[in-house]
Amino acid sequence: QSALTQPASVSGSPGQSITISCTGTSSDIGDYNFVSWFQQHPGKAPKLLIYEVTNRPSGVSNRFSGSKSGNTASLTISGLQAEDEADYYCTSYITNSRVFGGGTKVTVL
Amino acid sequence: QVQLQESGPGLVKPSQTLSLTCSVSGASINTGVYYWSWIRQNPGKGLEWIGNIYYRGTTYSNPSLRSRVSILVDTSKNQFSLRLRSVTAADTAVYYCAREVGYSYGNFDYWGQGTLVTVSS
Repeated sequence: QSALTQPASVSGSPGQSITISCTGTSSDIGDYNFVSWFQQHPGKAPKLLIYEVTNRPSGVSNRFSGSKSGNTASLTISGLQAEDEADYYCTSYITNSRVFGGGTKVTVL
Repeated sequence: QVQLQESGPGLVKPSQTLSLTCSVSGASINTGVYYWSWIRQNPGKGLEWIGNIYYRGTTYSNPSLRSRVSILVDTSKNQFSLRLRSVTAADTAVYYCAREVGYSYGNFDYWGQGTLVTVSS
């Protein structure tokens, strides 16, 4: 299994919206609706933002939203805030396994 | 409040076995609703799923690590553990234990704080 492909970095100004892509294959993202997104601040454990492509856990801001088209999933952060500056990771199910993306560093300008 | 806590040696010699334990509080491993997982992060790199275990002992692991990985569960202590054999410097990483919601694959809702394991002589 190969890692999912994410852009190394994405940036935006406060208040703007940004989108992070996560590209896989027809064996992972394209075949299952089990894509999750995580936010990780330096020195901290990852935090779940989105599960099953579009679902937000209780307590996660509705500024975070997920979607999927074909073999590519996306995370959109609207109303970008300084506290959103972090690393973001996607993950997908693949038969009896899980595969992560390489991570995207989000910078708030 | 669900909490997971990793414990184990922070330094392991090359070719030896890395052993970590995850202690779970605020939830029972025995409920059968969750998978109990290990995930690692090489320094400055991305996340890598190592594998998981169900309370009955069924395990799954990353194909790239499968030949070296063992994951065990001790329901009496509400703990699960990781054994990674024949380690090299490439296994130096922060190791996290996490809870994954059953049949919601990738839904890792609770994580431990992580523990750094360095492989060095």
